Amino acid sequence: GNSVTQMEGPVTLSEEAFLTINCTYTATGYPSLFWYVQYPGEGLQLLLKATKADDKGSNKGFEATYRKETTSFHLEKGSVQVSDSAVYFCALSRTGFQKLVFGTGTRLLVSP
Amino acid sequence: GAVVSQHPSWVICKSGTSVKIECRSLDFQATTMFWYRQFPKQSLMLMATSNEGSKATYEQGVEKDKFLINHASLTLSTLTVTSAHPEDSSFYICSAGGNGGASFDDEQFFGPGTRLTVL
Repeated sequence: GNSVTQMEGPVTLSEEAFLTINCTYTATGYPSLFWYVQYPGEGLQLLLKATKADDKGSNKGFEATYRKETTSFHLEKGSVQVSDSAVYFCALSRTGFQKLVFGTGTRLLVSP
Repeated sequence: GAVVSQHPSWVICKSGTSVKIECRSLDFQATTMFWYRQFPKQSLMLMATSNEGSKATYEQGVEKDKFLINHASLTLSTLTVTSAHPEDSSFYICSAGGNGGASFDDEQFFGPGTRLTVL
């Protein structure tokens, strides 16, 4: 079946450090891939997405590239800020935004 | 983005009682809403797809008589956990599609979740 594996957290970084959160997936066919972010007390928000191999999704300085050969969609940011502290979820779907399959989430803590 | 609210944000109940959780799309109409459940340190698991004016579609392994879903209007879906037991304690999250919610490109907007604790 379809599944998403992402690195366990928490990931603790200092402000302006480089961020990588690993995400790999198992799926039949060619799913769409997503990163969602959840700030404290709020609902999940779409951060970025990619719908086909080699696509790069980007938003707010974050980016991730759909790598079919390694079945990965790692999230990166060159310089994190304290305001980036949140839980990040990797997800996939075979049907656009419908029936999302999520990873377990990775908590990011950024200190000043 | 569009806003989805959930009420209550947390609830504690006694074993054997029923609990209702509301999910509202505040500034848009949603033909389709989704209900998820999240256990500590685990993924969000899709429980069911809620369709306005018709029966919900449940995922395999989810008891439809246990988790009653009603989608009475285009802005409200409710999840009722009937005869709750401690193993039902979890974090319940809903989402709603911005353009009705059923098509391939309808981005899902998520509520903040409801934490249920059954004693």
